[in-house]
Amino acid sequence: QKEVEQDPGPLSVPEGAIVSLNCTYSNSAFQYFMWYRQYSRKGPELLMYTYSSGNKEDGRFTAQVDKSSKYISLFIRDSQPSDSATYLCAMSANSGAGSYQLTFGKGTKLSVIP
Amino acid sequence: GEEVAQTPKHLVRGEGQKAKLYCAPIKGHSYVFWYQQVLKNEFKFLISFQNENVFDETGMPKERFSAKCLPNSPCSLEIQATKLEDSAVYFCASSQQIQPQHFGDGTRLSIL
Repeated sequence: QKEVEQDPGPLSVPEGAIVSLNCTYSNSAFQYFMWYRQYSRKGPELLMYTYSSGNKEDGRFTAQVDKSSKYISLFIRDSQPSDSATYLCAMSANSGAGSYQLTFGKGTKLSVIP
Repeated sequence: GEEVAQTPKHLVRGEGQKAKLYCAPIKGHSYVFWYQQVLKNEFKFLISFQNENVFDETGMPKERFSAKCLPNSPCSLEIQATKLEDSAVYFCASSQQIQPQHFGDGTRLSIL
């Protein structure tokens, strides 16, 4: 079992839909949780960052972390064609061996159809 | 600058040659991380620095890979005697307080 599991998709939704992306993880030491968006031939672009549990909202994006279930989510409201990209979850511990290295999910490829 | 700048964008080397990649972190960021993306979306951590000091090198292949971050210079990642398996996209990331990490657009290394 990989440390971070993420459904690779592809996921195709109509413009304006609410998109739900999620990751599960097995390492209970993970404390930092991030969502990145990656366009083709570009680097990962930070979308959301959460430390420990809870919810965070930024514009059309909401990130949720449920440490008891080892489950994180990213919601995109009013999705736009420009949101079409690969979405990567990433996480790290803050103590112990390998702390602060990011462990990534495999990414979910999202297409928003006009 | 406001972005992590990686150069070159694409580097082609013959097997056995040396490859050197550069990364200028965001101004004011103390931490630099290097990752290797081999298969699509498989990121492998290589090494991290806090200023000029190695912070974590547990991901670095011991033999042919080396990295430096010197004052007033871009950080560098050097691969000696490249192999076909080194073909990958190498990403650099920087951070102000260790997290979150901000990534550059990568250097695509092709070994022929």
